[in-house]
Amino acid sequence: SQQGEEDPQALSIQEGENATMNCSYKTSINNLQWYRQNSGRGLVHLILIRSNEREKHSGRLRVTLDTSKKSSSLLITASRAADTASYFCATDASWETSYDKVIFGPGTSLSVIP
Amino acid sequence: DAGVIQSPRHEVTEMGQEVTLRCKPISGHDYLFWYRQTMMRGLELLIYFNNNVPIDDSGMPEDRFSAKMPNASFSTLKIQPSEPRDSAVYFCASSPPLGTGKNTEAFFGQGTRLTVV
Repeated sequence: SQQGEEDPQALSIQEGENATMNCSYKTSINNLQWYRQNSGRGLVHLILIRSNEREKHSGRLRVTLDTSKKSSSLLITASRAADTASYFCATDASWETSYDKVIFGPGTSLSVIP
Repeated sequence: DAGVIQSPRHEVTEMGQEVTLRCKPISGHDYLFWYRQTMMRGLELLIYFNNNVPIDDSGMPEDRFSAKMPNASFSTLKIQPSEPRDSAVYFCASSPPLGTGKNTEAFFGQGTRLTVV
């Protein structure tokens, strides 16, 4: 089934460093999204990149998309302790019998050490 | 808007009991999704609705699970009878109309933590 797979599963860095997470998926997509989930909370949308886009920025976030490799990366620059959370990529596709349905990967757990 | 509202936030029930989870999507959103999150399986899409109509329920694990959306502002996910393996956090999410940009950003509720003992 269509699904993003993030790597690494867990990442621990010092405050101020950059954090990079990767996502790979299996089939063609309309767009790819990244979400953050703080412990015990719901997911929060971070950024959406469309299949015809290659790079997108939002504040300290930078997302790239390589449709030829079916992969995306999320870069968080100058990380802060508050960035500690799980990060998920989500892909959607218009299948024959379905509208766009969003499928999430297993997530990357990021720990930013003060 | 207050966002997607789920109730209850926590539910503890005994095996065999019926459980009903509730969701109020953001006004104007015409997509509604139910997800289940566990450590073992991650986030699983159970079912989603478009304009109150169930579009895909292939993720519903068993006949014990059912979901309804009687109107644009309310949905329920029911488990009857509940089992310990149903213990998980259940999220409801809603999305605005797709439009030409096919923007499918989902807005999540805070989730319902279900424990079946």
